[in-house]
Amino acid sequence: DTAVSQTPKYLVTQMGNDKSIKCEQNLGHDTMYWYKQDSKKFLKIMFSYNNKELIINETVPNRFSPKSPDKAHLNLHINSLELGDSAVYFCASSLRGEETQYFGPGTRLLVL
Amino acid sequence: AQSVTQPDIHITVSEGASLELRCNYSYGATPYLFWYVQSPGQGLQLLLKYFSGDTLVQGIKGFEAEFKRSQSSFNLRKPSVHWSDAAEYFCAVGALRNTDKLIFGTGTRLQVFP
Repeated sequence: DTAVSQTPKYLVTQMGNDKSIKCEQNLGHDTMYWYKQDSKKFLKIMFSYNNKELIINETVPNRFSPKSPDKAHLNLHINSLELGDSAVYFCASSLRGEETQYFGPGTRLLVL
Repeated sequence: AQSVTQPDIHITVSEGASLELRCNYSYGATPYLFWYVQSPGQGLQLLLKYFSGDTLVQGIKGFEAEFKRSQSSFNLRKPSVHWSDAAEYFCAVGALRNTDKLIFGTGTRLQVFP
């Protein structure tokens, strides 16, 4: 009965590669998010989608492209990976009007 | 602009001791305030939240937090810490009626000694 799930949990790849991270929620929420947590544990929002529409894009390089095929899924595709992309990426979801975000377990990305 | 400050990067306490983690926020209106906990290698779990009403809010795992508007603070407390409380704690603020964007503090790492 996982609420917010992410795959993969770990991702190790070479610079220049393209990779995707998937997120799914079964909470019936209509809003989903991607956050990046850097090596100093600082968490910052990257994107937010409501009902499959992009509502927040926080000055993220256009190598990052989120895609929301439906309300329960928000995937993150990253092109031409760079060393600085190494981080933990968290997906979260919420229901508009209820204001509480529920987080997935994170995807630990390491770019070599 | 909204911001959150957690002044203590690292706190160490003995098991059974009381705990207070500090959080100060900057926001022009009434904020929504949250505390999340991140255990090693895990995601974030919501401990408690404040939206309105009683300024002392109770959360899970025996935690509570008090909203003090005059001090722009939302400190997290626990009367008796358990070894399993060792984790990273994040305070976050969201805009009233628009928590699409949560602003997080830099976190406080809690270490518990037996």
